[in-house]
Amino acid sequence: SQTIHQWPATLVQPVGSPLSLECTVEGTSNPNLYWYRQAAGRGLQLLFYSVGIGQISSEVPQNLSASRPQDRQFILSSKKLLLSDSGFYLCAGTRSSYEQYFGPGTRLTVT
Amino acid sequence: GENVEQHPSTLSVQEGDSAVIKCTYSDSASNYFPWYKQELGKRPQLIIDIRSNVGEKKDQRIAVTLNKTAKHFSLHITETQPEDSAVYFCAAIGYNNNDMRFGAGTRLTVKP
Repeated sequence: SQTIHQWPATLVQPVGSPLSLECTVEGTSNPNLYWYRQAAGRGLQLLFYSVGIGQISSEVPQNLSASRPQDRQFILSSKKLLLSDSGFYLCAGTRSSYEQYFGPGTRLTVT
Repeated sequence: GENVEQHPSTLSVQEGDSAVIKCTYSDSASNYFPWYKQELGKRPQLIIDIRSNVGEKKDQRIAVTLNKTAKHFSLHITETQPEDSAVYFCAAIGYNNNDMRFGAGTRLTVKP
């Protein structure tokens, strides 16, 4: 069965510092992969999705970027973090057809 | 693109009562509608889903109904229990079938 891994689980970073969050998938090939952000007490905001290696669709460009260097690896990056980047970052992948399953998430606090 | 609206934003029921959460969507081409449950600090978990060729689906105490003509779908939880307390999200797949759009969420509280 498909498993989605994310790390780190929690992260505290100063404003202006870079960011790299990694998501890896096991148990399936060629999944669609997604990055969502959830502010405290709020809904899920789609940031990026990818249908294959090197293919990235951006919903919220801002100061974030995403890359998919391998079939089962999805990376979320920023060169300079803003306070507003704080939140719960969730990676999701499709298991079959449209069904999306989420990783455990990374809680990012920008200070 | 797809736009999903969810109501109510908060819902409080007594244990044993039923709870109903409603969502509307904008893209008539959407054909997959999942529901997720998110407990505090945890990841969203898929609890039930429905496809456009079906009007209703049931799994024990949980059911989902879909009205494609009106473009709305609903989550029904019967015989609610305190452990049903969580935030529930509806979602719909947009026209290109790659990006899923979520509703804003409903915080359900089941009082013992």
